[in-house]
Amino acid sequence: DSGVTQTPKHLITATGQRVTLRCSPRSGDLSVYWYQQSLDQGLQFLIQYYNGEERAKGNILERFSAQQFPDLHSELNLSSLELGDSALYFCASSVNLLSGGPATGELFFGEGSRLTVL
Amino acid sequence: DQQVKQNSPSLSVQEGRISILNCDYTNSMFDYFLWYKKYPAEGPTFLISISSIKDKNEDGRFTVFLNKSAKHLSLHIVPSQPGDSAVYFCAASTNTGNQFYFGTGTSLTVIP
Repeated sequence: DSGVTQTPKHLITATGQRVTLRCSPRSGDLSVYWYQQSLDQGLQFLIQYYNGEERAKGNILERFSAQQFPDLHSELNLSSLELGDSALYFCASSVNLLSGGPATGELFFGEGSRLTVL
Repeated sequence: DQQVKQNSPSLSVQEGRISILNCDYTNSMFDYFLWYKKYPAEGPTFLISISSIKDKNEDGRFTVFLNKSAKHLSLHIVPSQPGDSAVYFCAASTNTGNQFYFGTGTSLTVIP
C-alpha cells in the first residue's frame, strides 16, 4: 500500500460527459502528480500541484483541469469526453523540498482510476 | 515526442538467469533516472534510481547502469525470479525534478 488513494477505481461513461477523479496523497506529501496511461503507451505526465499551486504542466488537454485543495487532496476533471480519453489515470505524490521537486525522485503512485468512455 | 524510450515491449527469461531491460533517452538535460515496477491492477512502485554523476547503482539483485554518452540505461536483475514478472518503466527527470518522463514499459516474464 503506497498510501495514495484514488477514487473511483473504475468508471464507465459516455462521450460528451464530464467526470471527476479524486486523489488523496500520502500523509505529509505536498505534491500531487497526475499521469495518463493509454493502451500501449507509457505514463504521460499531465500536471503537478505543490501545496495548492500548479507547479508543472505536461500534455494536458484544455478539456482537462485539475486542482489541489487546502487539505492537499486533488481532483482531475475531464470534460467533453471522447473515446480516446479512455485510459488509466494515475495520481502520485512525493516527499518534497521547498522548491516543489521531489527530494529523492521517488513518486508514490495510487492504484489508478480506469476510465472507459463508450 | 517520446523523450524516454523502451524499445522492447516484452522480454522472457528463465528463472535464475539474468534479465536485462533497456532504456534510451534523447534529452541531454536529464540527470536523474529511475526504474519503476508495475503489477497488474496496481500502481507503479519505485525500484531503483541513479544520478547522472554515477554510472552504476546496485541494490540487492537489481543493478542499474547508466551510459551518458550513449544516452542509455539498463536494469539488470540477477538472478531473475518468477515474482519479478511485471511491467518495468524507466523514467527520467531534470534537476528541477518537477516532471518525470516515463518510457512505454517492458513486460518481463520470468519462466519457472
